[in-house]
Amino acid sequence: QVQLVESGGGVVQPGRSLRLSCAASGFTFSNYGMHWVRQAPGKGLQWVAVIWYDGSNKYYADSVKGRFTISRDKFKNTLYLQMNSLRAEDTAVYYCARGGEPILTGPLFDYWGQGTLVTVSS
Amino acid sequence: DIVMTQSPDSLAVSLGERATINCKSSQSLLYSSNNKNYLGWYQQKPGQPPKLLIYWASTRESGVPDRFSGSGTGTDFTLTISSLQAEDVAVYYCQQYYTTPPWTFGQGTKVEIK
Repeated sequence: QVQLVESGGGVVQPGRSLRLSCAASGFTFSNYGMHWVRQAPGKGLQWVAVIWYDGSNKYYADSVKGRFTISRDKFKNTLYLQMNSLRAEDTAVYYCARGGEPILTGPLFDYWGQGTLVTVSS
Repeated sequence: DIVMTQSPDSLAVSLGERATINCKSSQSLLYSSNNKNYLGWYQQKPGQPPKLLIYWASTRESGVPDRFSGSGTGTDFTLTISSLQAEDVAVYYCQQYYTTPPWTFGQGTKVEIK
């Protein structure tokens, strides 16, 4: 079955960096676009970034553009999110999510990991 | 960006009764070439990640109970739980995937037991 397992969260000071990982299994990782979505404490869902199935295209939310970088390793079946210049407002649970098949469900998010908490605080 | 607005923000429904959640988009989500609405619904139970319930506005994901149904077209959509069960207590989100990036969500609707 599809499994997505995030790691790398923790407490970090403002201005510092953190790298999140998402280990994927149970499907052919290189066939799917992958996303990061975050949820601030007690708040709703915010899409953060997407990377195409082959890594050819990457897009970011305006709030993280220029600070966050999404990447993937097809050999390790792992998705990454490099987060630089972190701010207090980046505090959230970060989920990785698989992009749906365009023909079947359309490009929404069909599977989600359990999430990893990032807290930006001095 | 397409703005998604849900109503109400929360609702309390008795067990076995109907729950209705509305979602409005700032522009049409209906793609004329395939007649599909690019709208999904997610359920997020406390302490858990979101789970896909419905795609194409009205197609239930595999394994989702048939008491969940989605309807609507264009800019107005509805998620209905026909007979609320205790395990349906959750926050429900609509999401558009018509114009991406960005993918945008409604603010969420919290469903509780009355």
